[in-house]
Amino acid sequence: KAGVTQTPRYLIKTRGQQVTLSCSPISGHRSVSWYQQTPGQGLQFLFEYFSETQRNKGNFPGRFSGRQFSNSRSEMNVSTLELGDSALYLCASSLGGESYEQYFGPGTRLTVT
Amino acid sequence: DQQVKQNSPSLSVQEGRISILNCDYTNSMFDYFLWYKKYPAEGPTFLISISSIKDKNEDGRFTVFLNKSAKHLSLHIVPSQPGDSAVYFCAASRGGRGAQKLVFGQGTRLTINP
Repeated sequence: KAGVTQTPRYLIKTRGQQVTLSCSPISGHRSVSWYQQTPGQGLQFLFEYFSETQRNKGNFPGRFSGRQFSNSRSEMNVSTLELGDSALYLCASSLGGESYEQYFGPGTRLTVT
Repeated sequence: DQQVKQNSPSLSVQEGRISILNCDYTNSMFDYFLWYKKYPAEGPTFLISISSIKDKNEDGRFTVFLNKSAKHLSLHIVPSQPGDSAVYFCAASRGGRGAQKLVFGQGTRLTINP
C-alpha cells in the first residue's frame, strides 16, 4: 500500500505571496492532519480534516487554511507569507474514528525569502 | 505552555545495550500516547503506542511504559542497533473528536555507537 505523498517537496516563495501544498493520504484513510515543524517550536498541529470537514484546529492565524476533497486528498494554503512561515510542513493520515495512529508523509520544505 | 516534554535533547548508547528515552506530560486529559522516529529529510515514522488504560506495551525490540500517576512515559529499545540512530518524538492525544490532534515533545536525538 502506498504511503502518504506530499507535493511539492521543496518550495521557495517571497514574503507576501501565497502557497498551496498538497497531500494524498494512504488509501482508505479518511483523516488528514497537517503539522508545522520549525527548529524553535518543534512539531505543531495546524488542523485536521475528516470527511471533507475541518474537525480540529490548532493555534495558528487565519492565514493558514485547508480543505479536503471527496477522495480524502487535502490541500493547505498559506496566504500573505511571512519569513516565520519557513518550515517543514508535514501531512499525516489515519483511519480516523477510534484510530489514533497517524502516518506521516515526507513533508514539504517551505522557504520564505 | 509545553504540555509534552522530552528533557533530554540527546542520548548516546552503545550498540547492543538498552536505550531509554523519557517523556513527561502535564495534561491529565491525555489518554493515548505514541512514539515516532524521524530521520533527516523524512517524515516521522510511527513506532509504538499505548493507551492510558495500560502501563506497558511491547512490539519486538520496542517497549513503552506508562506511569500515569507520575505523568511519565518511556520508550525502551533492546538491543539498540545502529539503524536506531534518529530523533525520537513522543506525542499525546486527548481522544474523542480530538484524537487526531497530537501534541509532540521537542524530540530526543538518539545516537547508537558501534
